[in-house]
Formats: sequence, structure tokens, C-alpha cells
Amino acid sequence: EVQLVESGGGLVQPGGSLRLSCVASGFTFSGNSIHWVRQAPGKRLEYVSGFSSSGDGTYYADSVKGRFTISADNSKNTVYLQMGSLRGDDMAVYYCARGVPPDVWGQGTTVTVSS
Amino acid sequence: DIQMTQSPSSLSASVGDRVTITCRASQDIRNDLGWYQEKPGKAPKRLIYTASSLQSGVPSRFSGSGSGTEFTLTISSLQPEDFATYYCLQHHSYPLTFGGGTKVEIK
Repeated sequence: EVQLVESGGGLVQPGGSLRLSCVASGFTFSGNSIHWVRQAPGKRLEYVSGFSSSGDGTYYADSVKGRFTISADNSKNTVYLQMGSLRGDDMAVYYCARGVPPDVWGQGTTVTVSS
Repeated sequence: DIQMTQSPSSLSASVGDRVTITCRASQDIRNDLGWYQEKPGKAPKRLIYTASSLQSGVPSRFSGSGSGTEFTLTISSLQPEDFATYYCLQHHSYPLTFGGGTKVEIK
């Protein structure tokens, strides 16, 4: 079964860091673009970051550029989102998703930013 | 960044109604557009890709049309399970951008 499973969400203080993981099963990253999308409570879906299908392009929303870093470990079929300098408007459910437009989504992991 | 303007932001409809949702892109995106359905507590579900191609397993009452800057999602006969929020997404250029969403509610 093709599946994405996110983990790593939790409660973090403003200014803190968190690393999210997205593990793929049923397919390999090679040849697929992988993206992070978030949704804050009551807000629209928002693109955060992603890899191109060739793996040589990385993309970031302006709102996270310089604070978030996407990376991958192909041996583990895992994509990471390292988030730093977290602030209140980063609080959201974070999804990883495959392809464009994404066809497979994980169940999401919740990031709460609060003191 | 490409801006996606979706309308209406919400609508009330009855079972059996025909529903139309529109997305406008701030520049030509060819047919690089998808439509998604979102229900509370669940991940978005892709309904349409390349503007008009129906995702496998999605009922045929859903259809998409348009190209360039104007796109439409139509539900030909609304069913109880269709009450949800719908989003368009352009993937013509990065960063990908979503429309603001349309919440379809029961009249």
C-alpha cells in the first residue's frame, strides 16, 4: 500500500526548533516529488517546502525561507523538515504529500507553538 | 508567487443540487491545476488533476474544466458525503499555491 506517515510534531516554545519526519512506504522517493503542506486552525492550506522529482530542486514558501530546511534520506525512504525560529503562525497540522498536484497525503502531524 | 482566487468562500446547497466552484489564477498556468476535497480531521483528497482529469475512484459527478487563468469544479448532483471544503491548487510554478477554499454546507 502506498502510504506516507508523518511524525515529530509536538509542543515547542516560540523561537524553538522541531524536526518532522515523513516515511514513505509502497513506493520510493526517486522519481517522485515530495512536499510539506500545512494548515493552521481555520486557515487555508499552505505550501511549505518540497523536493522536485529529479531531487535537484528544493522549494520553500517565503514565510519559512531561512528558518526551515528540507532534506531526505533515500536509504530510509524518509523526508525531514527541520524547523527553526518557530513562531505562533507556524502552529498548524503539517502534511507531507507526493507529486504535483499531490495524490498521496499523510495523516498529518500537529505542531503547537506556545510558551 | 501565483495567486489563486477561489469563489465563493462558502455556499449552502441541497442534496441533488448542481454546484460550481471557480478558481482564478493571477497568471497563465495552462492546465496545471488540481482540485481537492477536505473533511474535518482528514487529509485532503485529490479529486481532479491537470484541470479536468478525474482521479481514479472519484465519482463521475465531479468534473473539472478550464485552462489558462479560469477553472471550474462542478458537482453535478450533490450527495450527503460531498459536504466538505474544496480547494484548488496550482502547480505551474513554485511555490505551489492554494485557493482560499469553498465550504459547501447543507441548506
